[in-house]
Amino acid sequence: AQSVTQLGSHVSVSEGALVLLRCNYSSSVPPYLFWYVQYPNQGLQLLLKYTSAATLVKGINGFEAEFKKSETSFHLTKPSAHMSDAAEYFCAVSEAGGGNKLTFGTGTQLKVEL
Amino acid sequence: DAGVIQSPRHEVTEMGQEVTLRCKPISGHDYLFWYRQTMMRGLELLIYFNNNVPIDDSGMPEDRFSAKMPNASFSTLKIQPSEPRDSAVYFCASSRFNEGNYGYTFGSGTRLTVV
Repeated sequence: AQSVTQLGSHVSVSEGALVLLRCNYSSSVPPYLFWYVQYPNQGLQLLLKYTSAATLVKGINGFEAEFKKSETSFHLTKPSAHMSDAAEYFCAVSEAGGGNKLTFGTGTQLKVEL
Repeated sequence: DAGVIQSPRHEVTEMGQEVTLRCKPISGHDYLFWYRQTMMRGLELLIYFNNNVPIDDSGMPEDRFSAKMPNASFSTLKIQPSEPRDSAVYFCASSRFNEGNYGYTFGSGTRLTVV
């Protein structure tokens, strides 16, 4: 069965600092991996995705993530945090050929301070 | 495209009443998913459909929950009778098979409060 673990339910950074949100996955087959962002009172919006092409994936709003098979990780980063990045971030995994079913992590709430 | 449309945005109902949540997926998408989000349990997949057929309903918590997809452009999630522990945000999402592993499109959700 596939699963993802997000380390740290709350992360706080200063504006302009590096953002690092951690995600580790478990999958018996090559995974497809995703990061979603949820702003207050809104649905989830796709930030970026890994689907077995380039291991470094660039997404919207300056975010990127690197797939590391040896570490079973897919951490999300952004070089310089902005106040508008404050939101909840979810990592998700889908097994290739697994019928489109996404399994989400428990989420990480990102706080950006002045 | 208007995206995935859910209605109502907010629903407050009394315990024991029937609640129906509605979803219109993106035209051309052949997968539809219902998720529930709570503080305690996070995002839970309740059920999903492919070409209007339920594929996996193992996440439906109890017989009080039922979901239908009578056609490609409409789905409902019904709770009868509702209980306070059903209070949550319910999301609908859709995707297209060829793009299915490229992520879903989520609706804005229905915030359900059962008092």
